[in-house]
Amino acid sequence: DIVLTQSPGTLSLSPGERATLSCRASQSVPSDYLAWYQQKPGQAPRLLIFGASSRATGIPDRFSGSGSGTDFTLTISRLEPEDFAVYYCQQYGSSPYPFGQGTKLEIK
Amino acid sequence: QVQLVQSGAEVKKPGASVKVSCKASGYTFTNYYIHWVRQAPGHGLEWMGIINPSGGSTSYAQKFLGRVTMTRDTSTSTVFMELSSLRSDDTAVYYCARDRVRVILWPESDAFEIWGQGTMVTVSS
Repeated sequence: DIVLTQSPGTLSLSPGERATLSCRASQSVPSDYLAWYQQKPGQAPRLLIFGASSRATGIPDRFSGSGSGTDFTLTISRLEPEDFAVYYCQQYGSSPYPFGQGTKLEIK
Repeated sequence: QVQLVQSGAEVKKPGASVKVSCKASGYTFTNYYIHWVRQAPGHGLEWMGIINPSGGSTSYAQKFLGRVTMTRDTSTSTVFMELSSLRSDDTAVYYCARDRVRVILWPESDAFEIWGQGTMVTVSS
């Protein structure tokens, strides 16, 4: 089974700054089927990125995904106050479909 | 609009079973696989399994084999997740989620685009 490891565990930044979140897979993700989700307290996760680099419907272009194989990155170009949340990566290329442990993006 | 609406919160005793429902609307129910994901308090997301609403086929995470059963009722566009032999560490919010696009091959998947609102299940004596 593929295991996903996210880093850092917590990222402290200020609005307007650039955020870079990492997701590393224990083996190559088939077809780069890697997704990123945002979750705020008390809410269900929200799909941001699918296929490693495609933005989901309605997602602002300050969110971008990159990477392939085993190393993937979510970048938020200029942080807005509403972007402070927990972010999860997930691979859906081969069953089972695990999530990473999450990165908490907090206001500095 | 496309949505998944889940049943309400549950409180169960250790050893009991819980059955959570997830009602789909706004799309053709049998065209999209549904997943179940849970989140213990203060923890991350854990994938539990997938059901094909068309034929009822299921695939479960190894951790839940023997304890979880996913079913569907096409007449009401509803999927169900039943977890048995409940323990205190089953206390969590349980979510259903739908694939972003229609997937033809089983049990392949796509990203989870539509989520239910979550159902809190508390296991306590």
